[in-house]
Amino acid sequence: DIQMTQSPSSLSASVGDRVTITCRASQSISRYINWYQQKPGKAPNLLIYAASSLQSGVPSRFSGSGSGTDFTLTITSLQPEDFATYYCQHSYSPFNFGQGTKLEIK
Amino acid sequence: EVQLVQSGAEVRKPGESLKISCKASGYSFTNYWIGWVRQMPGKGLDWMGMMHPGESDTRYSRSFQGQVTISADKSISTAYLQWSSLKASDTAVYYCARRRNVFGELALDYWGQGTPVTVSS
Repeated sequence: DIQMTQSPSSLSASVGDRVTITCRASQSISRYINWYQQKPGKAPNLLIYAASSLQSGVPSRFSGSGSGTDFTLTITSLQPEDFATYYCQHSYSPFNFGQGTKLEIK
Repeated sequence: EVQLVQSGAEVRKPGESLKISCKASGYSFTNYWIGWVRQMPGKGLDWMGMMHPGESDTRYSRSFQGQVTISADKSISTAYLQWSSLKASDTAVYYCARRRNVFGELALDYWGQGTPVTVSS
């Protein structure tokens, strides 16, 4: 199975900052990666699919990039509602997730 | 409006059986795969497996093969996740999610609210 490794596991930032979260696949997955946001006590929410496509309704301050084995999720101008945990996911079976990145307020 | 509504919280003893549900509405249930995701307390997301209700095809993650059973009842647009003998380590929140396929781009686009399962003696 393809393994997904996220970094960092946690991150502190301030409102208005630009942050980048990285996900590395154990082998090339082309652009088959999705990104999700999860807030405490809630279900995950799809942000980005196919590496860089923005899900409908998601603010444009979220963006994704990468191909092959290395991918990034970037949030420009952090808003208070963006402090959450973010997961990458290989978008082909068996749909493994990364271990998550917790974004906290500095 | 697409909705996935899951059954409520469950408390069971080790060795007991359990079946939780995920009722879909607002779309054609038989045209999409439905997956299940586990989240243990304070931990990340674990992909368990999925089923295509229209084709009766089921795929399990290697870690969950033989540990759970995924099924569906097309007549009531409901997917299920069941255990025959629960363990304390099954304590977690379980989410169902719809798998979308748009020109080969796959994603979990709608999620249920989660079903907390507690297994304790």
